[in-house]
Amino acid sequence: GQNIDQPTEMTATEGAIVQINCTYQTSGFNGLFWYQQHAGEAPTFLSYNVLDGLEEKGRFSSFLSRSKGYSYLLLKELQMKDSASYLCAVQDSNYQLIWGAGTKLIIKP
Amino acid sequence: GAVVSQHPSWVICKSGTSVKIECRSLDFQATTMFWYRQFPKQSLMLMATSNEGSKATYEQGVEKDKFLINHASLTLSTLTVTSAHPEDSSFYICSARGGGQTETQYFGPGTRLLVL
Repeated sequence: GQNIDQPTEMTATEGAIVQINCTYQTSGFNGLFWYQQHAGEAPTFLSYNVLDGLEEKGRFSSFLSRSKGYSYLLLKELQMKDSASYLCAVQDSNYQLIWGAGTKLIIKP
Repeated sequence: GAVVSQHPSWVICKSGTSVKIECRSLDFQATTMFWYRQFPKQSLMLMATSNEGSKATYEQGVEKDKFLINHASLTLSTLTVTSAHPEDSSFYICSARGGGQTETQYFGPGTRLLVL
């Protein structure tokens, strides 16, 4: 079966760095997405990785290792507004998105 | 990034009525649109995938006669919840994807449905 694993919840301190991991087992791979979802709102796109390596976009970076079935989202200089759920999703061989359950990130002052 | 709108953002209706939700891609042509449902504190659940001009493909367990999807143009898809019941109360979110299959899915702001 297809499976996306990410931690349920993480806590970090304002100004710090946090890494949210995602491991996946899917039938085929056509890219991995990270989305941010604030409570009560729809997800917003953060990043897309299809090749191995690190993609940096401001305070957020996303890493992919296809051989290990592994990705992480790195958030630097954490701000209170970064408190949200972070969703990992993999596009399988049929270009369907397989969703992780999301990681709820709690930022403390 | 691309903009997707949904209307209405909030719906409260009586049990047994039908509710139509619109999803529009405002600045790009969406060859594929997706409809999700999300219950409180739960993951997104894909309900169906629709390609412009074709019948929607429904996920297992989703009743196609209850959740009618129409994707009549490259910028508009509609979801109609027919004969809504309280258990249909949820957060309905659409997303849209452009021409290529590797294109990013952009989400609408969602529609909260409360069935009394």
